[in-house]
This record gives sequence, C-alpha cells and structure tokens, in this order.
Amino acid sequence: DSGVTQTPKHLITATGQRVTLRCSPRSGDLSVYWYQQSLDQGLQFLIQYYNGEERAKGNILERFSAQQFPDLHSELNLSSLELGDSALYFCASSSPRDRGLVPHTQYFGPGTRLTVL
Amino acid sequence: AQRVTQPEKLLSVFKGAPVELKCNYSYSGSPELFWYVQYSRQRLQLLLRHISRESIKGFTADLNKGETSFHLKKPFAQEEDSAMYYCVPAGGTSYGKLTFGQGTILTVHP
Repeated sequence: DSGVTQTPKHLITATGQRVTLRCSPRSGDLSVYWYQQSLDQGLQFLIQYYNGEERAKGNILERFSAQQFPDLHSELNLSSLELGDSALYFCASSSPRDRGLVPHTQYFGPGTRLTVL
Repeated sequence: AQRVTQPEKLLSVFKGAPVELKCNYSYSGSPELFWYVQYSRQRLQLLLRHISRESIKGFTADLNKGETSFHLKKPFAQEEDSAMYYCVPAGGTSYGKLTFGQGTILTVHP
C-alpha cells in the first residue's frame, strides 16, 4: 500500500454541479500531483503543489482549481461540471528534491471515479 | 512539446516468450525516464526508473538517446506480468510532472 488515500471512491453528479475531491499524501511527502484519466485523453497531468504552493500546471481547465493545505492534504475542485468531465481522477505524492522541481518517484492513490450525468 | 509514443496499444505473448514494449519520446532537455505499471484492480505504481538501473520483476529498459527510445524488455514473460504499462519521461523544463503515453496493455497467455 503506497499510503496515498483519496476520497470519495465514486462520485455521481449532474451537469452544472460542483464537486470536491480529496487527497491525503503519504506521510512526509511534500508534493501532491493531480491527474485525469479518460478514455479519449489517457492520463493527463493537471496540477502540482509543493508544500502548499502551486509548482506546475498542466492541461487544467479554468473551471477546475486545487489547493494544498498546511497539513499537506490537497483538494481538487471541479465546477460547472460537463459530461466530458467524467473520468478517473488520480492523486499522487512524492518527496522530490529541489523544492519539487526535480522528478522523483510518484506514489499514486486509488483514484476517484467521477460520473457526470 | 513533450510527447511519448507507445506504438502498441495491445500486446499479446505466451508465457515464457520474450516481450518488448516500445517507447519513443520527444522531450525538451534531458528527461528522467520511468516505466509505470497498473495491474488489474491495483493502483498505478513504479516499475523501474532509468537512473536507478534496477531490474524489477525481471524487466529492464535501455535508454537510447540517439533514437530517444526507452524500450522495456523481459526475456521470459509470466502471466502475472499482464497489465497496463506506461512509459513516462519527466523533468527538464517540465519539472516534477509526469508525461504519460497512451500505454500498452500486455496480456500474457498461459
């Protein structure tokens, strides 16, 4: 068990709604990453936080936002949901060198499956 | 732009046969290279990384900078190797984020 936890496991909601996905990193890991996995786009990097600060941004929509709290857990907020947002959302954590600027092994959570109806 | 190509979406071999999963990358700077694996009903996990030069579960990967390839190999496939495999470059101007390819589903038949 990698130690990364994500809640909820499944989420079903309607278009136009807003949801919050939660991630708790492994003990001691300072960096948290969010990824989206869909059938057509594959696994795509969304955003990275290091010790509470945003470190890198990927293909994250403006309707999506994230934050990392002082206790290092992270939340991904998805708003004005569309059918196309249905996907598996993964969180990963790592203990990177150089303030999150150097790649290191990432440990993944089990994912949250979001279904937008 | 960072790009990873895994040309085989599906790969089937028989138990005991050699297996090679191909990966080519296009990347700014000198990336660090990983292979991640996802077994059925399990979370994504690291299989190996180039810099450590470890051999995990009998898999190895050779970096060819000239061809920008990082193919994954195993001389004798086992049924428990059936999984989704992702070639993942990271680093350079992309810092800590991982760039995933489309992945290759490996099925090892008995």
